[in-house]
Amino acid sequence: DADVTQTPRNRITKTGKRIMLECSQTKGHDRMYWYRQDPGLGLRLIYYSFDVKDINKGEISDGYSVSRQAQAKFSLSLESAIPNQTALYFCATAPASGTGELFFGEGSRLTVL
Amino acid sequence: QKEVEQDPGPLSVPEGAIVSLNCTYSNSAFQYFMWYRQYSRKGPELLMYTYSSGNKEDGRFTAQVDKSSKYISLFIRDSQPSDSATYLCAMSQYGGYQKVTFGTGTKLQVIP
Repeated sequence: DADVTQTPRNRITKTGKRIMLECSQTKGHDRMYWYRQDPGLGLRLIYYSFDVKDINKGEISDGYSVSRQAQAKFSLSLESAIPNQTALYFCATAPASGTGELFFGEGSRLTVL
Repeated sequence: QKEVEQDPGPLSVPEGAIVSLNCTYSNSAFQYFMWYRQYSRKGPELLMYTYSSGNKEDGRFTAQVDKSSKYISLFIRDSQPSDSATYLCAMSQYGGYQKVTFGTGTKLQVIP
């Protein structure tokens, strides 16, 4: 079983709909992240959390919100999806060692029509 | 100008070739340098990481960091079809806030 699990893996939705992407991990890491990946733009950080009570905005947080329900669970929400949020979304975790090593899930492909 | 620049490729080489992948960066505060490999429809996975300048070797892979030139490289010797993937460079500053900045990735195809 994957250490970092994302659901759903694929989702097609319409403009204006609320969408939640979920991430759970069994690695025991405190730090969790949401990234989006777009062709030509690479991976960009949306939100990150260093523990359950710590939530921080990344470089492209507008239009997104997150919830850290437990050490192992970190959800990303799009309150009102728009077409330019069509992308591949990755959840990642990291130990608190500070080296930058990230462990990624397999991704959630979101298409907003 | 992006903080990290990486040639997107695609790069196509014959099996057995030596592959050189490169990134340049502008932020002199970067201390940790990483290479991630991403297979199609998968998440990135850490391949190599180095702290500060110098070389690091792991099997067929060698990572080089030249902080004076703000330039990092990944060399793959005796490339195999299984090396076909997208390679992303990544960098982060020392300690504290663990923000990792990624390159856009270079797509590599190794032809049997």
